[in-house]
Amino acid sequence: AQTVTQSQPEMSVQEAETVTLSCTYDTSESDYYLFWYKQPPSRQMILVIRQEAYKQQNATENRFSVNFQKAAKSFSLKISDSQLGDAAMYFCAYRSASSNYQLIWGAGTKLIIKP
Amino acid sequence: NAGVTQTPKFQVLKTGQSMTLQCAQDMNHNSMYWYRQDPGMGLRLIYYSASEGTTDKGEVPNGYNVSRLNKREFSLRLESAAPSQTSVYFCASSLSGGGGNQPQHFGDGTRLSIL
Repeated sequence: AQTVTQSQPEMSVQEAETVTLSCTYDTSESDYYLFWYKQPPSRQMILVIRQEAYKQQNATENRFSVNFQKAAKSFSLKISDSQLGDAAMYFCAYRSASSNYQLIWGAGTKLIIKP
Repeated sequence: NAGVTQTPKFQVLKTGQSMTLQCAQDMNHNSMYWYRQDPGMGLRLIYYSASEGTTDKGEVPNGYNVSRLNKREFSLRLESAAPSQTSVYFCASSLSGGGGNQPQHFGDGTRLSIL
């Protein structure tokens, strides 16, 4: 069974600095999708960025980018120029391309932004 | 644009009581999902509906039932609430289920406490 591990329960960063959140996953499949979701105190889950395993190029969305290392089964999220509004729980999620509809979720990392 | 709407936002029940959590989406999505979120854990899938008229069990279905009323609405029912069902419940929807990198869009969640 697939698993997703986020080894950092909490991270803090100074406003305007860069921070990297770690995510590793375990799978025997070659085709899958990876996601980072943000959950602010308002509770709503918001998609931050996604990556297809067949793409070698790392996904980027404005200040958010990923470092996808398929062989190492690693999918880290880099946030550049951190802003106070980035403070939230961040969840990494895995989805097989061939299975049912289930997303496998990590336990989350709480990101604190210091002003 | 409302997206995914969940009602109620908060609820307190006594052990043994029943209730239904409502979810509706206005994005014309085919697939809908119910998750629960417990402290220190990622989201866990309770049930999902790949399309109107179909429902399937997820990771933690025991103690719950669902109904896909139509394409827009997907309800979650607790027949006899137990303290172990105290959690935050999220409804989500996506354009398609298996295959593709379609993200799931989430509601704001329902905080449910069982006394």
